[in-house]
Amino acid sequence: GQQVMQIPQYQHVQEGEDFTTYCNSSTTLSNIQWYKQRPGGHPVFLIQLVKSGEVKKQKRLTFQFGEAKKNSSLHITATQTTDVGTYFCAGQDFNKFYFGSGTKLNVKP
Amino acid sequence: EAQVTQNPRYLITVTGKKLTVTCSQNMNHEYMSWYRQDPGLGLRQIYYSMNVEVTDKGDVPEGYKVSRKEKRNFPLILESPSPNQTSLYFCASSLSQRGGSYNEQFFGPGTRLTVL
Repeated sequence: GQQVMQIPQYQHVQEGEDFTTYCNSSTTLSNIQWYKQRPGGHPVFLIQLVKSGEVKKQKRLTFQFGEAKKNSSLHITATQTTDVGTYFCAGQDFNKFYFGSGTKLNVKP
Repeated sequence: EAQVTQNPRYLITVTGKKLTVTCSQNMNHEYMSWYRQDPGLGLRQIYYSMNVEVTDKGDVPEGYKVSRKEKRNFPLILESPSPNQTSLYFCASSLSQRGGSYNEQFFGPGTRLTVL
C-alpha cells in the first residue's frame, strides 16, 4: 500500500546550524503538506506544495516538491530554539492523507 | 474563533466498553478526518469524510466507526475498545478545492485514550 517514509527520525543541532528533513512516497502524490508539532501540542500547518518541482520559502524555511511528485524536503537555515518540535510531511493520494513518521528536531542553545 | 474541538481530552476506559469521541468544527469545512498518533509511526488516518453522509476508510479503520450527519460534527466511535487502541487521537478539518485537492488541515487539540 501507499507509504510515506520520512528521515531522519531525530536530529540534534546546535543553534545556528541548518536542518533538513526528507520525505519519500511510494506513489505519485496530488500534493504534499508540511506540519509542525510542538511537544504536547497538535500539528500546525506550515505549507502546501502542489506543482511538480515547486519550491517555496517562508523566512528561514525552504520547502521543495520533487519533479515526480514523490519526494519532498524541508530545510531550515540557521536554526533557532523556537524551531524545536516534530516536523511531519503529509502526502495526499486521492482523498486520503499519508503522514511521514516525523523528524524530531532538538536545538541546543 | 475558527477552531476544531474534541471531547473528551483524556479518557481511560476498559476493554469492551463502547465510547464516542466527539469532534466539531466551526469553519464550514467539507473534509473531516480522524487520525491516531503512535510513537514512531506518525499520524495514521482512520476515517475521513468528504461531506455530509460521505465517509470512507483511511489506512487503519479496523475497530472504529464514524458518522457525518451534520457538516460540523464528525464523531469517532469505538464499539468495543481494545488495548491496542490506546493512542492519541486527532480530528482535523479542511476546505475542499476544485480538482479534488484539500487545503490545510486544522487539527483539534487531541484526545488521549487509554484502554485497560
